[in-house]
Amino acid sequence: NAGVMQNPRHLVRRRGQEARLRCSPMKGHSHVYWYRQLPEEGLKFMVYLQKENIIDESGMPKERFSAEFPKEGPSILRIQQVVRGDSAAYFCASSPDRGAPEQYFGPGTRLTVT
Amino acid sequence: GQNIDQPTEMTATEGAIVQINCTYQTSGFNGLFWYQQHAGEAPTFLSYNVLDGLEEKGRFSSFLSRSKGYSYLLLKELQMKDSASYLCAVKSRGSQGNLIFGKGTKLSVKP
Repeated sequence: NAGVMQNPRHLVRRRGQEARLRCSPMKGHSHVYWYRQLPEEGLKFMVYLQKENIIDESGMPKERFSAEFPKEGPSILRIQQVVRGDSAAYFCASSPDRGAPEQYFGPGTRLTVT
Repeated sequence: GQNIDQPTEMTATEGAIVQINCTYQTSGFNGLFWYQQHAGEAPTFLSYNVLDGLEEKGRFSSFLSRSKGYSYLLLKELQMKDSASYLCAVKSRGSQGNLIFGKGTKLSVKP
């Protein structure tokens, strides 16, 4: 019973490059949340998606960031033209439906921008 | 605004009991969660409170008072492996399901 999977676990990008982070939710889960954790900071909500729909993107910067969760395949968080301030751990969590209390977290992708 | 406060760091001794407090101010309330996060790892779910009172699960218990905007996580019979950050999170009534997290409390368990 695989948990939430994220890849890559570590990603290094130079300033100006694109970063693509992938998240496969737990089996049977159709709701995905992305959070960002800066050093010494709490987890901050970015975006909430269901299959083929963005439900809430209120925590995601309007520029350079986008997210999708296609009918087939993993959810993807894309950061274009990365800057040093994008260096953080990006976690994805999944739940079976909006009413389910728990969210199950993946191991995270640690993005380093050089 | 939305605010969740918890102590930054705590230290306790192996075998002892420790209480980690959390106060919150959110626009509405739809549940409070505690997660454990070891350094460099994913947060793992510990407990969920939506009604006032104490929820017990093995060595861990969590308490909620909605009128006071207050919760605590109680860890008994501390073990070295309990050294981790403990994250308090709230689901506000207006949220679409996302959680609002505090900055976490880093607990160090000493022999």
